[in-house]
Amino acid sequence: DAKTTQPPSMDCAEGRAANLPCNHSTISGNEYVYWYRQIHSQGPQYIIHGLKNNETNEMASLIITEDRKSSTLILPHATLRDTAVYYCIVSRTTSGTYKYIFGTGTRLKVLA
Amino acid sequence: EAQVTQNPRYLITVTGKKLTVTCSQNMNHEYMSWYRQDPGLGLRQIYYSMNVEVTDKGDVPEGYKVSRKEKRNFPLILESPSPNQTSLYFCASRRDREHTEAFFGQGTRLTVV
Repeated sequence: DAKTTQPPSMDCAEGRAANLPCNHSTISGNEYVYWYRQIHSQGPQYIIHGLKNNETNEMASLIITEDRKSSTLILPHATLRDTAVYYCIVSRTTSGTYKYIFGTGTRLKVLA
Repeated sequence: EAQVTQNPRYLITVTGKKLTVTCSQNMNHEYMSWYRQDPGLGLRQIYYSMNVEVTDKGDVPEGYKVSRKEKRNFPLILESPSPNQTSLYFCASRRDREHTEAFFGQGTRLTVV
């Protein structure tokens, strides 16, 4: 019962911006949006998270729409090492705990 | 270096032979959890722990046990492994249960024959 919808795959040219969309139309007011990526079968790596404001760090930018029903992860200058599966996650609150529900993600392929 | 360490990285075992996968974190994190990853199903949470001696079931707890006797360690125990537990397992830790980033281990690939 993943609460997010992502395209299964995307390609991006090396050096160009990669824009990865995510729909989370049932998000609740206190739920955050997280992005992680997984390179090959390594452990997922945290990228960024946000509640309603746009966020930026050294890896990426996160743009959340005003109604919070969708978001976009932007990798400003994609490199071959950014080839990975990207997961958009809405943290779910259950009985006071915060857990991740992983969907199947977007497989991003950066092309030389 | 902040890290989550799992051992072993690879394991092949036989049905019914008890095994333990260890997980240790060096960040003094309160919140730890175990996931399994299967093709087409993504990562699913098995168990989690909010602090020492506090554990609870995730979405797929059947056939697994955990313990949290020390803050840094969160072992995953398979009392009687079966072939349907063949999977890639990840341990993760977070500073607390609130909105902080999670750190994942490198994974344990388990095959039960």
